[in-house]
Amino acid sequence: EDKVVQSPLSLVVHEGDTVTLNCSYEVTNFRSLLWYKQEKKAPTFLFMLTSSGIEKKSGRLSSILDKKELFSILNITATQTGDSAVYLCAVERYSGAGSYQLTFGKGTKLSVIP
Amino acid sequence: NAGVTQTPKFQVLKTGQSMTLQCAQDMNHNSMYWYRQDPGMGLRLIYYSASEGTTDKGEVPNGYNVSRLNKREFSLRLESAAPSQTSVYFCASRTILNTEAFFGQGTRLTVV
Repeated sequence: EDKVVQSPLSLVVHEGDTVTLNCSYEVTNFRSLLWYKQEKKAPTFLFMLTSSGIEKKSGRLSSILDKKELFSILNITATQTGDSAVYLCAVERYSGAGSYQLTFGKGTKLSVIP
Repeated sequence: NAGVTQTPKFQVLKTGQSMTLQCAQDMNHNSMYWYRQDPGMGLRLIYYSASEGTTDKGEVPNGYNVSRLNKREFSLRLESAAPSQTSVYFCASRTILNTEAFFGQGTRLTVV
């Protein structure tokens, strides 16, 4: 059975702090790992990682994948109140016949207080 | 671009009633997914469709059926709604070339 475990489940920080969110996984036929941000409604895409050790960056957010140790981290530097959201990790695996499944973790709820 | 459109946005059902949640995408994506989201549970896969004409069970398929009507549309049916199906339902789609999944805005379903 596929497992995607995120930690911590919730986190409260002050504006300006740096945070690290964790995602570990156990899946067969791993293809990629994705990070999403969810505020009020639909998840919005942040990063897609397929190769170990290659950091992806977008502004104050960055992420890296370790395929040997089966985990990924999402870093947010100089946090702002607008970063308050649930951050979801998803792992994609090949499930046969040209089909790919996305399995999500439970998410990390980040609250940034002024 | 509309992207992924779900209807309805909100629905209240009585136990035992049936309904169909509609999802349509205009991005020519091959794969479509239905998830449910409950507090503290993340997104759990109900059913998915790799391409038109194929559907597969996900993690929590019991109590649901799906139809991939054509490449654009993927519907989710509750034949006899139960309070345990109270949830927010998200439809998503993506290409077969593994870009990100795009999500609809969700349907908040309450079964009383």
